Amino acid sequence: SYELTQPPSVSVSPGQTARITCSGDTLSKQYAYWYQQKPGQAPIVVIYKDNKRPSGIPERFSGSSSGTTVTLTISGVQAEDEADYYCQSADSIATYVVFGGGTKLTVL
Amino acid sequence: QEKLVQSGAEVKKPGASVRVSCKASGYTFAVYYIHWVRQAPGQGLEWMGWIHPNNGGTNYAQKFQGRVTMTRDTSISTAYMELSRLSSDDTAVYYCARERDLGGRLPMGSWGQGTLVTVSS
Repeated sequence: SYELTQPPSVSVSPGQTARITCSGDTLSKQYAYWYQQKPGQAPIVVIYKDNKRPSGIPERFSGSSSGTTVTLTISGVQAEDEADYYCQSADSIATYVVFGGGTKLTVL
Repeated sequence: QEKLVQSGAEVKKPGASVRVSCKASGYTFAVYYIHWVRQAPGQGLEWMGWIHPNNGGTNYAQKFQGRVTMTRDTSISTAYMELSRLSSDDTAVYYCARERDLGGRLPMGSWGQGTLVTVSS
């Protein structure tokens, strides 16, 4: 199926590690992408093809994949990382694209 | 530096149609896929479909098939998304977004600023 499931919220203290998971059958075969969206702003991609980080994205952002679950890890979380995070995947030629429901990361 | 600039906010009545434009600059418009994504108030992101400006080829999410039309005018580097038979459920911010890397379709790289479409009687 092309449904992606994320936890609605994750909370961490500054300096800790945040892990946001995304599960879905398609993830065992297709790449995952992660987007960060801050209030009132358009999303930006922070991880693509499971674990690649675009230039300009801090090294504390990383991605991993295992079976039908992908994980976005933010090491040494900073207050500026507080945002909504969405995973995304698609079929092999992006004729069907799906977003996860989003996870609100709160930095305590 | 690529940039996408969208048209302004719209207020529509139920049953009407809306067309949102997305003007590209800073890159060769014809060769990069453009996606359309919407976000209802307080909700998540929802993919609507994509268009390839070179040949006008489109692919729509099943949910919107029959109701959405994506077009482009390469002479002015502008993509359009028209949604018909609007209902209150279509109230959302609509975004255009360009594929980040040529030919990859995903991920979405540059995004427009979003266009708020409000459907209200």
